[in-house]
Amino acid sequence: QKEVEQDPGPLSVPEGAIVSLNCTYSNSAFQYFMWYRQYSRKGPELLMYTYSSGNKEDGRFTAQVDKSSKYISLFIRDSQPSDSATYLCAMKRYAGGTSYGKLTFGQGTILTVHP
Amino acid sequence: DVKVTQSSRYLVKRTGEKVFLECVQDMDHENMFWYRQDPGLGLRLIYFSYDVKMKEKGDIPEGYSVSREKKERFSLILESASTNQTSMYLCASSFGGANEKLFFGSGTQLSVL
Repeated sequence: QKEVEQDPGPLSVPEGAIVSLNCTYSNSAFQYFMWYRQYSRKGPELLMYTYSSGNKEDGRFTAQVDKSSKYISLFIRDSQPSDSATYLCAMKRYAGGTSYGKLTFGQGTILTVHP
Repeated sequence: DVKVTQSSRYLVKRTGEKVFLECVQDMDHENMFWYRQDPGLGLRLIYFSYDVKMKEKGDIPEGYSVSREKKERFSLILESASTNQTSMYLCASSFGGANEKLFFGSGTQLSVL
């Protein structure tokens, strides 16, 4: 069983829709949770970063973490065609004084927002 | 802006060839990483380095080695390429710290025939 599970989609929505992307994880040691966005033929770029349970909002994007359920979500409001990309969740433990950025990624969800 | 540059966008090699993938970052980052990305499997960590001449195995190091002789450069080496190493290879770098951000290159699509 993978440590991080993400529905690969693909997900196709009309412009203006609310999009919900989700990941579940099995390892309770994960403390830092991230969402990366990857456009076609590009490397991933950090979109959202959260620590601990709760919500974090940045413009049209909201990241939600529920540690008790081992579940994280990314919501996109008023989705735009420019949001079409692959979205990857990523998680990290914090190993005492060492923090080498060793992330565990989900499989990625391919999102298409059509006009 | 941080820039992570991978030397080749596309690469085609023959089975058994020795392959070098090069990555350079321009922000004096301590940490550098090599991931491979495959459909349905996401990104998997091959090797990472937290300092010059230092390296650590990631989750799938078999068949790969790395070299970091200078802080800005991290090379991935396939000693004898095999068809199951056909993949997208992504290099990344970061400063370090608990809430660090990874900066990725655009990737090298390697095909081993």
